[in-house]
Amino acid sequence: DAGVTQSPTHLIKTRGQQVTLRCSPKSGHDTVSWYQQALGQGPQFIFQYYEEEERQRGNFPDRFSGHQFPNYSSELNVNALLLGDSALYLCASSPSPGLVRETQYFGPGTRLLVL
Amino acid sequence: AQSVTQLDSHVSVSEGTPVLLRCNYSSSYSPSLFWYVQHPNKGLQLLLKYTSAATLVKGINGFEAEFKKSETSFHLTKPSAHMSDAAEYFCVVSAVSGGYQKVTFGTGTKLQVIP
Repeated sequence: DAGVTQSPTHLIKTRGQQVTLRCSPKSGHDTVSWYQQALGQGPQFIFQYYEEEERQRGNFPDRFSGHQFPNYSSELNVNALLLGDSALYLCASSPSPGLVRETQYFGPGTRLLVL
Repeated sequence: AQSVTQLDSHVSVSEGTPVLLRCNYSSSYSPSLFWYVQHPNKGLQLLLKYTSAATLVKGINGFEAEFKKSETSFHLTKPSAHMSDAAEYFCVVSAVSGGYQKVTFGTGTKLQVIP
C-alpha cells in the first residue's frame, strides 16, 4: 500500500514564475491538506481539499491555489513566486475531514527554491 | 482559537539518558494531540496521539506522552535516548472548527543525542 506521494522532490524557480506541485493521497483517503515548512520552522497550514472543494484555508495569499481531482489527488499552484516562498511543501492525507482524532499522513515533501 | 507552544527549541541529551520534550497547548474545544518526528530530509512520521481515551499514551520507538488537562500539557518522554532519536519533534493540536478538522503545529524541538 503506497503512502502519500509527492512530485517533484526538488524544484528551482525564479521570482515571478509559477509552480505546480502534485500529491497523491494514501489509499482510502479522500482529504488532502497542504503545508508550507520554511527552514527551521514548523509546518504552516495552507489549505485543505475534500470532495474537490477547498474546505479550509490558512493565512496565505490568493497566489496560493489548489485543486483536487476525482481520484482525490491534488495540486498546489503558486503564482508570482517570491523569494520567501522558498520552503518544503508538505502534503498530508486523511480518511475524513471532520474528525478531531484523525491522523494525517504526510508525504516526503517538495523542496522549492526560488532564486 | 488554538495554539501550541513547544517550550524548548533545542534539547541535548547523552545517549542512554532520559528525554523530555515539553509541549503546552490552548484550545477552545476538546482537542486531540499528536507528536510527529521529522528526520533530516525526511517527511513527518507519527509518534503517538491522544484522542480522549487513556491519558498516558504509548507510541513507537519507546516514546510516550501524558495528557494533563489541568496543566494543558502534553510532554513527550523516553526513558533512554538512542542515537537514532536525533531529529526534530513537533507537537500538534487538532480540533474541529466549522465542521472540519483544524490542525496547528508547534515550532518544533530539535533533539541532539550525544554519544
